[in-house]
Amino acid sequence: EAGVAQSPRYKIIEKRQSVAFWCNPISGHATLYWYQQILGQGPKLLIQFQNNGVVDDSQLPKDRFSAERLKGVDSTLKIQPAKLEDSAVYLCASSFHTSGPNEQFFGPGTRLTVL
Amino acid sequence: DAKTTQPNSMESNEEEPVHLPCNHSTISGTDYIHWYRQLPSQGPEYVIHGLTSNVNNRMASLAIAEDRKSSTLILHRATLRDAAVYYCILRDVGNDMRFGAGTRLTVKP
Repeated sequence: EAGVAQSPRYKIIEKRQSVAFWCNPISGHATLYWYQQILGQGPKLLIQFQNNGVVDDSQLPKDRFSAERLKGVDSTLKIQPAKLEDSAVYLCASSFHTSGPNEQFFGPGTRLTVL
Repeated sequence: DAKTTQPNSMESNEEEPVHLPCNHSTISGTDYIHWYRQLPSQGPEYVIHGLTSNVNNRMASLAIAEDRKSSTLILHRATLRDAAVYYCILRDVGNDMRFGAGTRLTVKP
C-alpha cells in the first residue's frame, strides 16, 4: 500500500514570497490533516478535512495560510506571504475515518526555510 | 484539553527493554491514550493505543494504570532503529491529536 506522498521535500524562499505544498493521501482515506512542526516541538494541527470539507481550521493563520482539498483527494497548503517564523516542517497525514481512535498515517513532510 | 507529561529524554542499551512513562492526571473517561513515534527526518508513525486495558502489538506493549492517570510504553528489546521521539497523546473520539514535545529515546549499542 502506497503511503502519504508530499512534495516538494525541501523548499527555500525569501520572506514575503509565496509557497505551496502538495499532499496525496492514502487511497480511500476520507480525512486529511496538515500539521506544522517547528524544530524541537511536536507537530501542531493546522487544518483537518473530511472529504473536501473543512472540519477544523481553528489553528490555521488565515491571514496568510490557505488550504484546499478539491475532489476530496489531493490537497494543497499555501502560505502567502511567508514570514521568517513559518520556517518549519509541514506534515500531511490521512486517516480512514475522522471519529474513533483511528490511526493517522503521516507523509515525510516538506521542510520550509524562510530567509 | 487533557495534557500529558513525559521526560524530555531517555537512554537505553540495545537489546534491553525500555519503559517510556507518561503522566496524564487530568484524563477524561473517553480519552484514548495514543503513542506515536518520529524517527529522524520522517513523519510520525503510529505505535499503539488503548483505553483502559493493557494492549500488545508487534511493535510494543502499552501498560495503563488502573486509575488511568499514567501509562507506560514498553519496547521489549530496543534496537538502534527504535531511536526516535516518542509522543504520548490523549485523544477523545472525534477530536484532533495534540502533540507535546515527546521523549527523545537514545539507544546505545
